[in-house]
Amino acid sequence: GESVGLHLPTLSVQEGDNSIINCAYSNSASDYFIWYKQESGKGPQFIIDIRSNMDKRQGQRVTVLLNKTVKHLSLQIAATQPGDSAVYFCAENLQAGTALIFGKGTTLSVSS
Amino acid sequence: GAVVSQHPSRVICKSGTSVKIECRSLDFQATTMFWYRQFPKQSLMLMATSNEGSKATYEQGVEKDKFLINHASLTLSTLTVTSAHPEDSSFYICSAYRQGGMNTEAFFGQGTRLTVV
Repeated sequence: GESVGLHLPTLSVQEGDNSIINCAYSNSASDYFIWYKQESGKGPQFIIDIRSNMDKRQGQRVTVLLNKTVKHLSLQIAATQPGDSAVYFCAENLQAGTALIFGKGTTLSVSS
Repeated sequence: GAVVSQHPSRVICKSGTSVKIECRSLDFQATTMFWYRQFPKQSLMLMATSNEGSKATYEQGVEKDKFLINHASLTLSTLTVTSAHPEDSSFYICSAYRQGGMNTEAFFGQGTRLTVV
């Protein structure tokens, strides 16, 4: 079946660098995409979202890019901090109000 | 503060016993809640959709008689793992959508770590 996946399982960066986490999705009918951060032993924490009618959305230090042509989603974190170390998941929603489908996750490690 | 609360956060039980996990929406009503399971170093996998006042909808491969879901009120869904076995040890997470103006946002509970010994 179709699913959301991630290109890389781990990403290591230095503090202050910019981080880019990628996600490939396969369902062209997906309408809504979200990035979550999950720290060890905790539930997912919302970072930023984007709808299929947009290609870019910016938040505080984070930017999500959506390329529908190649079905690609990315999360950019500016000036990465040690506190950003966590597992990042992209998730897609096929229809409003239905369950989110999660990708495999990328572990981001930030060293000082 | 949290808008979706799970209880307990951790539970250890013996094989063969049952464990109930509660998921509450704290400041909004949720006619639908979702239950996920997450094994170590893996992603969240949807188990079932909990519907207030009606039967839950289970994903393929999830045994409905083993994972009992009850959504008796608009703010509470429970997941009962019956006759638990060590392979049921996992991190269980619930979520619910909260509608606010033009936006609908999914909120997640803090998760329940189940260990079956």
